[in-house]
Amino acid sequence: AQSVTQLDSQVPVFEEAPVELRCNYSSSVSVYLFWYVQYPNQGLQLLLKYLSGSTLVKGINGFEAEFNKSQTSFHLRKPSVHISDTAEYFCAVSDVRDDKIIFGKGTRLHILP
Amino acid sequence: DAGVTQSPTHLIKTRGQQVTLRCSPKSGHDTVSWYQQALGQGPQFIFQYYEEEERQRGNFPDRFSGHQFPNYSSELNVNALLLGDSALYLCASSSGRGARTEAFFGQGTRLTVV
Repeated sequence: AQSVTQLDSQVPVFEEAPVELRCNYSSSVSVYLFWYVQYPNQGLQLLLKYLSGSTLVKGINGFEAEFNKSQTSFHLRKPSVHISDTAEYFCAVSDVRDDKIIFGKGTRLHILP
Repeated sequence: DAGVTQSPTHLIKTRGQQVTLRCSPKSGHDTVSWYQQALGQGPQFIFQYYEEEERQRGNFPDRFSGHQFPNYSSELNVNALLLGDSALYLCASSSGRGARTEAFFGQGTRLTVV
């Protein structure tokens, strides 16, 4: 069975500073990896996904993530954050043969002025 | 394109009652998945419907059941409500089976059980 650990429940960062949100997963099979964002009182929106191929994945809103199979990590990065990036970010994993997506508990990103 | 729409947006029920939540998928999508998101937690997979059949189920009791209609819309039914069923219920639609295809989420239904 797969599981996801998001190492930080909250991350404060100053506006225009870089940010990294950490995610580790556990699985004995091949996986797909995802990052979703949830703005207040909204559903989830896909930021980016890793299916196969290049380990560096670029997503929307300037975010990118790197798949590291040896460390079973899929950390999310952005070089310069904006106040509009304030949201909850969820890392997720799915077995490539599966239909369901397993989510982490989320990381709340606080942008400080 | 209206995207994924869920109704109602909020509702309050009493312990022991039954509730039905509804979801209309994004245009062109034929697969609907349901998730439960408790406060401060990530979404948890309840089940997925494809071709009007439940294709996969998460670790939820039989009190949670669903249905998919020929127009691909779906319902989530929860019987004998418990206080612990209070959560945001999210519907996601996609085209075809498997997590490879992008899932689009609705804004959810906030269920409060008192």
